[in-house]
Amino acid sequence: ELKVEQNPLFLSMQEGKNYTIYCNYSTTSDRLYWYRQDPGKSLESLFVLLSNGAVKQEGRLMASLDTKARLSTLHITAAVHDLSATYFCAVDTRSSNSGYALNFGKGTSLLVTP
Amino acid sequence: DSGVTQTPKHLITATGQRVTLRCSPRSGDLSVYWYQQSLDQGLQFLIQYYNGEERAKGNILERFSAQQFPDLHSELNLSSLELGDSALYFCASSATPGATEAFFGQGTRLTVV
Repeated sequence: ELKVEQNPLFLSMQEGKNYTIYCNYSTTSDRLYWYRQDPGKSLESLFVLLSNGAVKQEGRLMASLDTKARLSTLHITAAVHDLSATYFCAVDTRSSNSGYALNFGKGTSLLVTP
Repeated sequence: DSGVTQTPKHLITATGQRVTLRCSPRSGDLSVYWYQQSLDQGLQFLIQYYNGEERAKGNILERFSAQQFPDLHSELNLSSLELGDSALYFCASSATPGATEAFFGQGTRLTVV
């Protein structure tokens, strides 16, 4: 059974600080996704990482993928309050009928405080 | 706005009842996915359809069923509802089954009382 583990699950950080969220997964996959969810809202795609060594950056967020270690990181630089949300990583798996499914981690609830 | 439309946004119903959740994918997308988000189980994949055909199945209960119609909209039917079925149900769509980008709807919040 595929496992996707994120840590930490809860993170309270001060504005201006840096931090990293980790995502480990248990099966071979070359595709790793990061999503953001605000309370009661939908999932917003942040990054899609498609190969080993992939690094993508958008604003204060940077994501990377190490497929050999089965590890992805989401690094937050100089956090601001607007980044407060829950962040999910997900790995996709393929079914025998050429279907795909996203397998999500439990999410990291991030609170950025003044 | 992702372009994926889910109705209704909220649904309150009693245990033992049956409900239908509806999803219209983005224009041009042929693949539809259903996910359940609950406090207990987190975000779980339920089922995927592509152009009317089931392509992948996750932890979907036997009480739940889905289909995708010729106009590509999809419905998720939940029957014999239990308190534990209360959750946010998301639909997502993509152009093809393996497309790297899937777009999520706003979800239907189901409350079973």
